Amino acid sequence: QVRLQESGPGLVKPSETLSLTCTVSGASISSFYWNWIRQPAGKGLEWIGRIYTSGNTNYNPSLKSRVSMSVDRSKNQFFLNLRSVTAADTAVYYCARAYVSGSYDYFDSWGQGTLVTVSS
Amino acid sequence: DIQMAQSPSSLSASVGDRVTITCRASQSVSSYLSWYQHKPGRAPKLLIYSASSLQSEVPSRFSGSGSGTDFTLTVSSLHPEDFATYYCQQSYSTPYTFGQGTKLEIK
Repeated sequence: QVRLQESGPGLVKPSETLSLTCTVSGASISSFYWNWIRQPAGKGLEWIGRIYTSGNTNYNPSLKSRVSMSVDRSKNQFFLNLRSVTAADTAVYYCARAYVSGSYDYFDSWGQGTLVTVSS
Repeated sequence: DIQMAQSPSSLSASVGDRVTITCRASQSVSSYLSWYQHKPGRAPKLLIYSASSLQSEVPSRFSGSGSGTDFTLTVSSLHPEDFATYYCQQSYSTPYTFGQGTKLEIK
């Protein structure tokens, strides 16, 4: 059974960079899309973007200028960097695997989420 | 971006009730629609993909239907563990988008 676990600082100062790691266990990181999704308190889910194991990425245009993602296949990990954060980036951040079946893809495995607060 | 609108935003029901949640897309998403169950402090759980396909190990009391712009999630007979927040999500085009959620509460 695949498991995902987010890790990283729970507190980031405004204007700095939020950096998170997702560690995948129980399955190879190869041949899937790996996603980051966030949820501000009291709000809905927002897709941040995804990375394929080849390194190809797709980002939400609303965050594209500040986001970068990368993958380390040797460690079965993928990463999120979000630059120039503000209080609006305070949220629970989830990593998730997108399983592809034919032309369909869906988030079949998720991490528990990690709360990141942006505050000085 | 494709906007996803769920209704109702909250719903009170009793164990054994049949409930239906609707999701409407701002443009056609064909059958590229998934449903998730989310409980506080837990990882969201995939219930339905491709609008009507039941994810492995999800109880058969959950079902999904629809295509194009209008979709429904139905729970045929509520169990105590079903009280949670439910989200629809389109994967027709990026950026992928979610509905705002429907909180299902015990009456």
